[in-house]
Amino acid sequence: DTAVSQTPKYLVTQMGNDKSIKCEQNLGHDTMYWYKQDSKKFLKIMFSYNNKELIINETVPNRFSPKSPDKAHLNLHINSLELGDSAVYFCASSSYSGSGTDTQYFGPGTRLTVL
Amino acid sequence: AQRVTQPEKLLSVFKGAPVELKCNYSYSGSPELFWYVQYSRQRLQLLLRHISRESIKGFTADLNKGETSFHLKKPFAQEEDSAMYYCALYNQGGKLIFGQGTELSVKP
Repeated sequence: DTAVSQTPKYLVTQMGNDKSIKCEQNLGHDTMYWYKQDSKKFLKIMFSYNNKELIINETVPNRFSPKSPDKAHLNLHINSLELGDSAVYFCASSSYSGSGTDTQYFGPGTRLTVL
Repeated sequence: AQRVTQPEKLLSVFKGAPVELKCNYSYSGSPELFWYVQYSRQRLQLLLRHISRESIKGFTADLNKGETSFHLKKPFAQEEDSAMYYCALYNQGGKLIFGQGTELSVKP
């Protein structure tokens, strides 16, 4: 009965490879997010989708491409991985009402290591 | 600029001592502020939000618009409070802006 799930939990890959991280939520939420947590634990939003439409894109390199096949899924595809992409990536979801009072529920994170 | 600042990267206290995790924000509108917590090996989760004016696990946080602060307080820290704490500001553009995080370590 996991609310927000991500796969894989760990991902180790070589520079230059292409990889995907998957996220699914079973909360019935219509908004999903991707966050990046760097080595200093700083957490920053990357993307947000509402009902499969992109609503936030935070100056992220276009090597990162989110894809939302339906409102319960938001996948993150990364092309040509670089060393600086190593981080923990968190997916989150919330209901959308335009109000910040809608709690965001986070996934367990995917630790990406680029060698 | 919209910004959340948590000046302490690490805060270490003894069990039973009071704890205050500092959070200052910069926002031109009426802020909506939150505290999120990440326990070891667990996912980030909401601890409390200022509009609810609630106390969760003994923690409280008061919004002080004059000082642009939203400090998190607990009168008597417990070992299980050890975690990473993030202060966050909701931006009307639909974004949660997080502070840098403060690691709280409660020693026995």
